[in-house]
Amino acid sequence: LAKTTQPISMDSYEGQEVNITCSHNNIATNDYITWYQQFPSQGPRFIIQGYKTKVTNEVASLFIPADRKSSTLSLPRVSLSDTAVYYCLVANNDYKLSFGAGTTVTVRA
Amino acid sequence: EAQVTQNPRYLITVTGKKLTVTCSQNMNHEYMSWYRQDPGLGLRQIYYSMNVEVTDKGDVPEGYKVSRKEKRNFPLILESPSPNQTSLYFCASSLRGQQSNYGYTFGSGTRLTVV
Repeated sequence: LAKTTQPISMDSYEGQEVNITCSHNNIATNDYITWYQQFPSQGPRFIIQGYKTKVTNEVASLFIPADRKSSTLSLPRVSLSDTAVYYCLVANNDYKLSFGAGTTVTVRA
Repeated sequence: EAQVTQNPRYLITVTGKKLTVTCSQNMNHEYMSWYRQDPGLGLRQIYYSMNVEVTDKGDVPEGYKVSRKEKRNFPLILESPSPNQTSLYFCASSLRGQQSNYGYTFGSGTRLTVV
């Protein structure tokens, strides 16, 4: 499993865009990049997944440069309810997920 | 509603008393997995299953057992619980695993305390 590095914490304000960058220098050719969100005492929730370039859904965007050694999760116009821990996962198999410490995002009014 | 259901939500037990945490999903998912979450250690995988009767160890399997006799159920068994198994446990399932484009669906968690 590729090792990932993300900031421990980030602060933002309501209405701003939040960008969380994850480094995965040893990503393998078959690896996918997936992001999860977790609120306190709840299970993680799938946000978005990508392999290369840009992926967008109703919740977030995922930007992956050509070398795929990093990825950036973009949360547009955050609200207080977006305060959570965000995990970046890199894996090429379907069954072993490795969650790191994640990034604690705090959104303030 | 599509969901992963864990029971119980909270459990306090004594050392050595066998217990089972149930997990059931109603989405016909093939992949299921158990995690424990501890402060400062993040989420660690205990066991996973790729299909009925197919299970394998995750990163921290010691002290746990699982079974997958039916597709929808994946119980976690602690034969002789010890205080170091006090943790928050999550069950998760996925249609085709990591690369399904929907990821894993997690249950609401079971907070276990072993005294």
